[in-house]
Amino acid sequence: DAMVIQNPRYQVTQFGKPVTLSCSQTLNHNVMYWYQQKSSQAPKLLFHYYDKDFNNEADTPDNFQSRRPNTSFCFLDIRSPGLGDAAMYLCATSRVTGPQETQYFGPGTRLLVL
Amino acid sequence: AQSVTQLGSHVSVSEGALVLLRCNYSSSVPPYLFWYVQYPNQGLQLLLKYTSAATLVKGINGFEAEFKKSETSFHLTKPSAHMSDAAEYFCAVSDKNSGYALNFGKGTSLLVT
Repeated sequence: DAMVIQNPRYQVTQFGKPVTLSCSQTLNHNVMYWYQQKSSQAPKLLFHYYDKDFNNEADTPDNFQSRRPNTSFCFLDIRSPGLGDAAMYLCATSRVTGPQETQYFGPGTRLLVL
Repeated sequence: AQSVTQLGSHVSVSEGALVLLRCNYSSSVPPYLFWYVQYPNQGLQLLLKYTSAATLVKGINGFEAEFKKSETSFHLTKPSAHMSDAAEYFCAVSDKNSGYALNFGKGTSLLVT
């Protein structure tokens, strides 16, 4: 089945130690999104790629970076995680950008910062 | 940016009872609205979406939602709740200014007893 895969499902890191979260998709979608969802809150967009075109949200901290080496993979890099970065990170894809486009979500990676 | 407001952070219903989860949108132009469900420690799954083709939208798992322009609402309903419906429900609107990413409401946690 075509799907969005996130690895790992759970990630523990230390305060200030760089961490990378991975997302892959078999849907061949052009757009990939990264959302941050803190406990009991709504998901919040960090950035998205349309093909190789990177689009950062204005209020996304510089501590968060992303890479998309090819259509299938997208990575979220947190350069110096703080305690406040503990959250669920959700990757989503859509075929193209558009108001009616459905986004398909992966299962998420839960990040714990010690 | 377009936004949605979900009324009621927690809703509790008995099994077999009607489920009603409320969502109001804030938009001066026709919005494109979505309902997603999130089970514990999982990603989000699309329940249904409004794309202006019909005001009553049927989704998966017996859920439906009605778009009411006069009330700026897009409430989610299900005639008879099942225990497996217990989850977090998010209403969302696509945001043109962010590549049509989703702006989510704060979510409603549905408890089925």
